[in-house]
Amino acid sequence: KAGVTQTPRYLIKTRGQQVTLSCSPISGHRSVSWYQQTPGQGLQFLFEYFSETQRNKGNFPGRFSGRQFSNSRSEMNVSTLELGDSALYLCASSLPGEVGPTGYTFGSGTRLTVV
Amino acid sequence: DAKTTQPPSMDCAEGRAANLPCNHSTISGNEYVYWYRQIHSQGPQYIIHGLKNNETNEMASLIITEDRKSSTLILPHATLRDTAVYYCIVRDIFSGNTPLVFGKGTRLSVIA
Repeated sequence: KAGVTQTPRYLIKTRGQQVTLSCSPISGHRSVSWYQQTPGQGLQFLFEYFSETQRNKGNFPGRFSGRQFSNSRSEMNVSTLELGDSALYLCASSLPGEVGPTGYTFGSGTRLTVV
Repeated sequence: DAKTTQPPSMDCAEGRAANLPCNHSTISGNEYVYWYRQIHSQGPQYIIHGLKNNETNEMASLIITEDRKSSTLILPHATLRDTAVYYCIVRDIFSGNTPLVFGKGTRLSVIA
């Protein structure tokens, strides 16, 4: 079956701009989580959406937001970009309340560079 | 915060077993031990998980100590493609809604 698809793979933006990243989960997976990965901070949890509702949120400023559509696809938005937002943004999908064998399935990520 | 402690890096000769340790001294009775790995510039990949018994699958073996305060991931015959960062994570089995919390992991380098 198709994996988690993230688009675009690479993105270059200027400080102050805003950006939208997209994630299509595995068919049947209704939970989508977003992570930010930087060399200094590692993998950090941003937020999780389930059935179009934000269920968990990490410790990030309000410039970071997301949403989930009825088909479970999710987008995250970062407004007023800062240089420190340069990172690999990873999306993971899972079944609701999944704690089974595979848990989360990650996409390949979107590498965002802010200049 | 991550509830696990792992060495920052390890080397392993190709073809030999790679043994990656993880300390989770505050693990609770409901928490599973999960292992993921991340190959450069890719998303993390699930490897294996366990509660208290040793587990084996086609990728690896997981050995959990009797007191559950530590575990070891074993790659029986490491190849160059196993070079990656390996993350040990504990997660409550009754909290399916809680996110995976990643620590710094162990960077495994498999050397030819």
